[in-house]
Formats: sequence, structure tokens, C-alpha cells
Amino acid sequence: DTAVSQTPKYLVTQMGNDKSIKCEQNLGHDTMYWYKQDSKKFLKIMFSYNNKELIINETVPNRFSPKSPDKAHLNLHINSLELGDSAVYFCASSSRSRTEAFFGQGTRLTVV
Amino acid sequence: DAKTTQPTSMDCAEGRAANLPCNHSTISGNEYVYWYRQIHSQGPQYIIHGLKNNETNEMASLIITEDRKSSTLILPHATLRDTAVYYCIVRNNDYKLSFGAGTTVTVRA
Repeated sequence: DTAVSQTPKYLVTQMGNDKSIKCEQNLGHDTMYWYKQDSKKFLKIMFSYNNKELIINETVPNRFSPKSPDKAHLNLHINSLELGDSAVYFCASSSRSRTEAFFGQGTRLTVV
Repeated sequence: DAKTTQPTSMDCAEGRAANLPCNHSTISGNEYVYWYRQIHSQGPQYIIHGLKNNETNEMASLIITEDRKSSTLILPHATLRDTAVYYCIVRNNDYKLSFGAGTTVTVRA
């Protein structure tokens, strides 16, 4: 069983579209994250939810909206996609009792 | 979070130990040293972490200097599958991991 799974793995879409990326973890963790890795390969945190509450919200355009329907899921919705949104987006999860984070395999988003 | 400095890249021979250095001279007392790696096209993978004592697990060993201003990750017997970008991260006990540029490690046969 995959611990942290993201769908889709690849996403190609046109500028201006709205798209969502889904993330699910089956580790029983209470904290989930979204990271963005750009073309220069830098990984930057975007959001974090703990028990469905937003606890980290870095400087991210408000076109990006995370939603956590329950502790096991954290979805990322992106409105009005722009070329600069092209990147690999990673979901991750961790537990309060153990601080290492487990990452998904990433979603490669390409905006054309 | 304290900033870390790592070499941009290093090569290692298969079967030999790989010693990856990291400087974190501004680390504060409650900050841990974490190591992750990212194999090409995969998500980052946790390796090990420590506060001030040396740590060892099935993947690697972490040696932290007494003044905690630097550390070394040791992969005891590097294999081709250890080729990856290795990130040294210093963080307090919050939820945020701040990744730098890391060290690109290439294991050669």
C-alpha cells in the first residue's frame, strides 16, 4: 500500500483553467503538507494542515486553495492557472509524535 | 530556521563509505538536524535526524560535532541506488521543513 498517494501523477492544462490535485495518506498522521518544486529544483513549503486546521500558509497566491475534508486527505485547488505554476507538487504527511515527514511521488503540472 | 551549507556535488565509489558534510553554524539549542534525500523523479525520503548525539539507523549514521555547528551523514556502503540529492535541514520542533539546494551525490561503479 502506498503511504502517501497523489493523483494525478501528470497534469497538462491550458492557462486560465482551474485544476485540483488530490492527496491521501494511510499512515494515520495528523499533519499534511503541500510543497512545490520548481524548475530550479528548490522545494518550498506552501501549506500545512494539522487535524484539518491550516497551520502553515506561506506566501502563496490566493489562486491556490488547500482543502482538508478529513485528516487523511489534503487537496490542492488552483484557479486561473498561469505558466509560472508549472512545477512538481509534492504532498507529505507527518505525525506529532514522530517528526519525520513522508512524501508522495509528486504531481508534475505543466501549464501551456 | 538556521541556514545550512552543503557542497554542491560529490562523487563516491560504489561499496565505499560516503561522507556528506553539512555546516549549520547558526543552529540554536532546540533545533534538530535532519537529512532527507531525493532520488530522481521521486518524492523526498527521510533518512535520519538528531539533536546532539550521534545517531544510526538502517540507512545511515549521523555524526554531529560537539559544538553542533556541523554534521556529517555517513552512508556506510554506497550503492548505485544511493545516487540522489541529499538535503541537510535544521529545524526546531515545528512542522516546517525548509529545503536548500542540497548535495548531488553520484555513486559510480
